[in-house]
Amino acid sequence: QSALTQPPSASGSLGQSVTISCTGTSSDVGGHKYVSWYQQYPGKAPKLLTYEVSKRPSGVPDRFSGSKSGNTASLTVSGLQAEDEADYYCSSYAGSNNWVFGGGTKLTVL
Amino acid sequence: QVQLVESGGGVVQPGRPLRLSCAASGFTFRSYGMHWVRQAPGKGLEWVAVIWNDGSNQYHADSVKGRITISRDNSKNTLDLQMNSLRAEDTAVYFCVREVGPFSGFDYWGQGALVTVRS
Repeated sequence: QSALTQPPSASGSLGQSVTISCTGTSSDVGGHKYVSWYQQYPGKAPKLLTYEVSKRPSGVPDRFSGSKSGNTASLTVSGLQAEDEADYYCSSYAGSNNWVFGGGTKLTVL
Repeated sequence: QVQLVESGGGVVQPGRPLRLSCAASGFTFRSYGMHWVRQAPGKGLEWVAVIWNDGSNQYHADSVKGRITISRDNSKNTLDLQMNSLRAEDTAVYFCVREVGPFSGFDYWGQGALVTVRS
């Protein structure tokens, strides 16, 4: 199972919005609603931001939103804050009880 | 509150075995599927294995199939990962992870256990 494709880096200014893409295939991202996004700070465990494409766990600010079109999922971070600077990973169910992650995107807040 | 605490990490020689454990608390363990996810130093996340809530089925990534086995004990609220024939490429932080719901994503993560395979 190949990893999902994410841009290695993304950036945005304080207060602005940034969108991170996650491209897979019809076997994973395009074939299921089970796409999720995670935020990870260095040396820490990942934190769930969205699941089932666009659902947010309690406690996650609505500045984080997920969407999907075809084989590409996206995470949009609105109203960028300094604390949003972190690594972001997408994940998708890939069928046959397998899951796959993206390679990760390092978000820089300018 | 939900807690997942891994133990058993360390330095091991290539070809040797190692067993990781995860102690779960703060939720009804037997109601949730559980996963292991790993992260090699400086690299991204890699899904390793899943076990259904009742332990009836387990599935492993192709990269570890035949060498690494996930198991659980619902009477003790523990999740294990038996790793045999370890290779240098198995060096990673291993996270014990709870799933939101079947197939849905991963909502609680342990702090991770570092496994280093070197001679």
